[in-house]
Amino acid sequence: EAGVAQSPRYKIIEKRQSVAFWCNPISGHATLYWYQQILGQGPKLLIQFQNNGVVDDSQLPKDRFSAERLKGVDSTLKIQPAKLEDSAVYLCASSPNDRGETQYFGPGTRLLVL
Amino acid sequence: DQQVKQNSPSLSVQEGRISILNCDYTNSMFDYFLWYKKYPAEGPTFLISISSIKDKNEDGRFTVFLNKSAKHLSLHIVPSQPGDSAVYFCAQDTGNQFYFGTGTSLTVIP
Repeated sequence: EAGVAQSPRYKIIEKRQSVAFWCNPISGHATLYWYQQILGQGPKLLIQFQNNGVVDDSQLPKDRFSAERLKGVDSTLKIQPAKLEDSAVYLCASSPNDRGETQYFGPGTRLLVL
Repeated sequence: DQQVKQNSPSLSVQEGRISILNCDYTNSMFDYFLWYKKYPAEGPTFLISISSIKDKNEDGRFTVFLNKSAKHLSLHIVPSQPGDSAVYFCAQDTGNQFYFGTGTSLTVIP
């Protein structure tokens, strides 16, 4: 089966610019996660969707980050405006259930904010 | 196809015994391998790592073994404790991107 797809793979922007990432989960997976992985740290959960509803967005910096999952399939994560500390790998993962025991990760998008 | 595979979705171990979590990978150069531990409703947290120039790395109760010829990675937890119950992900960092396994749910039975 096709894995989790993410685009773009790399992005370089200047601070205060906006950027958007796209994720296409595995077909049929109801749960979708966005993680932020800063160099040298583990992935930090930003937001979890169950179908098109938000289950957990407690660690999402809502003043600049937004995410949506219209129609319960693809998802986009936006940063507006970006800061230097947003430089990280943004990982998308999907799961067939909401327990998070089995997650299929995408290749990630590496963001560099200058 | 999965670049990094964890073929056991779950594992149950008695407290005090050894837990062995396995991971296989398909591609390798001078890579870096990591294990993460994940509790419910949280993101994975870094546990232990190993460079491909080594075959073993130990940190307290946790030891990671790397068998490059078999393209196999394992995490040993000795002795296992109930607080170790979590989902464990292995990951490969090629320098260009991360590849994560699908996770193994470990339950340590008191």
